Amino acid sequence: QVQLQESGPGLVRPSQTLSLTCTVSGGSISSGGDYWYWIRQSAGKRLEWIGRIDSSGNTNYIASLKSRVTISIDTSKNHFSLRLESVTAADTAVYYCAREGGPYEGWFDPWGQGILVTVSS
Amino acid sequence: LVLTQSPATVSLSPGEGATLSCRASQNVGYYLAWYQLKPGQAPRLLIYDESNRASGVPARFSGSGSGTDFTLTIRNLEPEDSAVYYCQQRSHWPPSFGGGTKVEIK
Repeated sequence: QVQLQESGPGLVRPSQTLSLTCTVSGGSISSGGDYWYWIRQSAGKRLEWIGRIDSSGNTNYIASLKSRVTISIDTSKNHFSLRLESVTAADTAVYYCAREGGPYEGWFDPWGQGILVTVSS
Repeated sequence: LVLTQSPATVSLSPGEGATLSCRASQNVGYYLAWYQLKPGQAPRLLIYDESNRASGVPARFSGSGSGTDFTLTIRNLEPEDSAVYYCQQRSHWPPSFGGGTKVEIK
């Protein structure tokens, strides 16, 4: 079964770039029709969709972050990545990666366990 | 489109039942799902398309409703059901989540 695992630094300095990778195991990231998402949750706030990418590299981003976000995919390594530039304390959150597709077309399954990223000097 | 969940927190004893509500500000048809989040664990898809259980989800979890009002019912609560439950819609772009209901098991 497909599993996702986030990796990256847990601490990022303000104004720097947050970079995370989601490694997919148990299946191919190139599966047609799947979308690969980044989702985050700040303390006390609801889950927020950041953006998505398909195996062809087509992306969509949430409007509020569009100027700072880049999602990329490396099919040879079976992973996809998130870059968030010019971070502030407001970007402190648990970041999740998730698949939209598979047997539950249109819904997020599976998810990674999440990685806490703190923005602080 | 805003999803409003209630109550914010519910505290129940093992064996009791829980009824969680999710109300959409616009009609989402049956395009609603429920997820279970536990600290340090991957979020888990429980219910999709309003009432379909994902693979491996116990039958005591059930979803109902349509349009703007949805319910997640958990029968015979077990200690392992302690978690935060979120609804999510995909009828309107972008997909969005509710604020969550925390289920505490006494």
